[in-house]
Amino acid sequence: AQKVTQAQTEISVVEKEDVTLDCVYETRDTTYYLFWYKQPPSGELVFLIRRNSFDEQNEISGRYSWNFQKSTSSFNFTITASQVVDSAVYFCALSGSGNTGKLIFGQGTTLQVKP
Amino acid sequence: DTGVSQDPRHKITKRGQNVTFRCDPISEHNRLYWYRQTLGQGPEFLTYFQNEAQLEKSRLLSDRFSAERPKGSFSTLEIQRTEQGDSAMYLCASSSTRDFSYEQYFGPGTRLTVT
Repeated sequence: AQKVTQAQTEISVVEKEDVTLDCVYETRDTTYYLFWYKQPPSGELVFLIRRNSFDEQNEISGRYSWNFQKSTSSFNFTITASQVVDSAVYFCALSGSGNTGKLIFGQGTTLQVKP
Repeated sequence: DTGVSQDPRHKITKRGQNVTFRCDPISEHNRLYWYRQTLGQGPEFLTYFQNEAQLEKSRLLSDRFSAERPKGSFSTLEIQRTEQGDSAMYLCASSSTRDFSYEQYFGPGTRLTVT
């Protein structure tokens, strides 16, 4: 069975702090994809990043960075110098090799960035 | 590119009534997905289409739920004899298999409240 666990339910930080959101996944597939989505208060899910299982290179996009480690089945997301606009619910998701593309989501982490 | 649209955005109905939601995907996307999200949880997969063919249905999708995608364009999700447990956000997403990106783009959702 496939599963995504986001153990942190809520995180609160003060603006400009760095924050890491954890994601641990389970799958028996050798080929799979990992995603992060942001859900701001407006409710619409916004795609942030996709990683395939063969690419363990870390990625940086502006203040966002992602650390993918197959050895620990983790795909963590770090926001550097957080801003109030980063306040949202963040979801990690997994898509297996069955070619359906369906996403298995974690329960989400609510990030509150205080000014 | 206008993005994924869903209609209505909000629906309040009485228990036992039927409701129908519509999703218009990004025009060149051949895959369309339906998810359900309850409060405090991540989205859960319900069903998906490739073109007009419905290729997979979750066991979450009881006999009261039916989805269609005539002509491989827009899709409808109907819930018959609604129950209070059906109250949730219903999300639609679309993607393209042609560029192998597997990125799903989500609509704003339809929030259903069953009284």
